Order: sequence, then C-alpha cells, then structure tokens
Amino acid sequence: QKEVEQNSGPLSVPEGAIASLNCTYSDRGSQSFFWYRQYSGKSPELIMSIYSNGDKEDGRFTAQLNKASQYVSLLIRDSQPSDSATYLCAVKRSGGGADGLTFGKGTHLIIQP
Amino acid sequence: DVKVTQSSRYLVKRTGEKVFLECVQDMDHENMFWYRQDPGLGLRLIYFSYDVKMKEKGDIPEGYSVSREKKERFSLILESASTNQTSMYLCASSETSPSYEQYFGPGTRLTVT
Repeated sequence: QKEVEQNSGPLSVPEGAIASLNCTYSDRGSQSFFWYRQYSGKSPELIMSIYSNGDKEDGRFTAQLNKASQYVSLLIRDSQPSDSATYLCAVKRSGGGADGLTFGKGTHLIIQP
Repeated sequence: DVKVTQSSRYLVKRTGEKVFLECVQDMDHENMFWYRQDPGLGLRLIYFSYDVKMKEKGDIPEGYSVSREKKERFSLILESASTNQTSMYLCASSETSPSYEQYFGPGTRLTVT
C-alpha cells in the first residue's frame, strides 16, 4: 500500500517564526500533492496544491516539492497562534483519472504566543 | 466558493440499522469521495465516484455501499451498522484533471451503539 509519512509532533514554534512541516511519500508515480489544515473537530481545509518540482508561494505559505527525493514540505512564515492546527499532507494516487488521496496522519502544530 | 454539505453533523444509530449519509456539492464537480477519519489511523478512502452511476472501491469498502444518481449528490450507505463503524465521515468533491483539488464537507460524526 502506498504510504505518506509525517512526523506527528507536536511541533512547537514561537509566534512570528517559520514553521516547517515535512512529508515523504512512497508512490514514485504520484504527480499531485496537497496540504490541508484541520482544526480540532473540523474538516480538512485545502491550503495549497503543488504539482511541479520547486517552490510554490501563496501568502505566508510556501510548498516545496522534490519528486526525486519523494519529499514535500510546507513552510509557514510569520507564524500566528491561529495557525495552530493539524496539517495533513496528501498525495493523489498515480495511474491517472479520478482517484482518492492518500493522507498522512498529520503533524500537530502549536504556535506559542 | 466550493460548497460541500453533508446531511447531518451528528448521528447516533443502533447496531444493525441501515444508515444513509448524504453529501451534496454545488460546484458541478465530476468526482466525489467518501472518507472516514479515526484517531491514530488518519483519513481512509471508502469509495469514490467519477461520474453519475459510476463508483469505485477505495481502501476500506467492506460494510459500505454508495449511490450516485445525480451529479451533485453522493450517498454512503451502511447496510447494517456495527460499532466499529463509529467514526467521523467526510465527503469531498473535486474536478478532474489537471487540478484534482479535493474540497471537504463539514463531516458527520456517527456513533453506533
């Protein structure tokens, strides 16, 4: 079974610092990668998608993809207490067409005021 | 904004009952998905559908069935609910290529007693 691995945390980061979240995946054929944020008791909310090697920036968030190393990361700049949540890395299964995502178990991020 | 709604936020059913969970999306998305989320196990794909009346099994389809009679509506059916089906159920929808970004509904927390 294809897997997505994340450090479960908790990852504690001071307010205003950069939070770095990492994810590795086993399906070498995967082409689509996603980061979701999930607050306690809520459903996952899409933050970013990335499809090509390199960096993709959206506001305070930067996603990084390295397909050769099978590695995806999310950087959160100027971390705010409202960023405290569980962050889920998700990978679309290879093979084309519609298919579900394989999710990591998430990293619990705590931003300390 | 993408809107995915689910019929109930909380549901309590008895063992052996037939349970229907409904999901509606308003973005004309081709693909719809059902996941369950459990502590320590993360999000797991139950079933997905890429077109009306089309369905595919995910990773954990046992004990479940689905129905998609209209493009905007995707139902999950527990034929005979069991206590091990107590979980958070999440519906999602997505476009087809190239995005595949999935958007989640608010979830249904089902308790089977």
